[in-house]
Amino acid sequence: DSGVTQTPKHLITATGQRVTLRCSPRSGDLSVYWYQQSLDQGLQFLIQYYNGEERAKGNILERFSAQQFPDLHSELNLSSLELGDSALYFCASSVAEGPAYEQYFGPGTRLTVT
Amino acid sequence: GQQVMQIPQYQHVQEGEDFTTYCNSSTTLSNIQWYKQRPGGHPVFLIQLVKSGEVKKQKRLTFQFGEAKKNSSLHITATQTTDVGTYFCAGPLAAQKLVFGQGTRLTINP
Repeated sequence: DSGVTQTPKHLITATGQRVTLRCSPRSGDLSVYWYQQSLDQGLQFLIQYYNGEERAKGNILERFSAQQFPDLHSELNLSSLELGDSALYFCASSVAEGPAYEQYFGPGTRLTVT
Repeated sequence: GQQVMQIPQYQHVQEGEDFTTYCNSSTTLSNIQWYKQRPGGHPVFLIQLVKSGEVKKQKRLTFQFGEAKKNSSLHITATQTTDVGTYFCAGPLAAQKLVFGQGTRLTINP
């Protein structure tokens, strides 16, 4: 158990819909990262927050947005969903920002768009 | 854009055989991290290498960081079925983001 929690575990929704994925980082971790992992693919970095502020963006679609709240939990919002958005979405946290710190991953949310 | 290349993409071995995965970057890395993802699981941090030429061992796993800090390798001696999974390297690239390689999926014939 990494200490990072993600809800829900599974999500099935239709094209055009909007969903929200939630992540709670490890106690004491200030950085939260979101990744997308499609079938048999690597980890695509989406976005990073540190102590409530957006710090880095990857190849995140305009239909996707995220935020980190004062209690440090984070939400990833996916809208106008397309079939290609079906994937595993991981949240990770680290104690500080910057790539020198190891990341602890949550169990992921498996999103299926039908 | 800048990326971290990992080879091979897939590797199938007999239990007891050795396994190696390689990670290459076009730019010098300040550090490199390795993660393991079991089937159906999430990536788990294994180790971080920082120094040029650094070698670290974890039981049957040996991690190396190249002298030029542009490549790294993970070698597993005498694989066991518990080693099954995908091994990712990750290095800091543009904008100080940690960029993950595509991973090497290891399967083992018992």
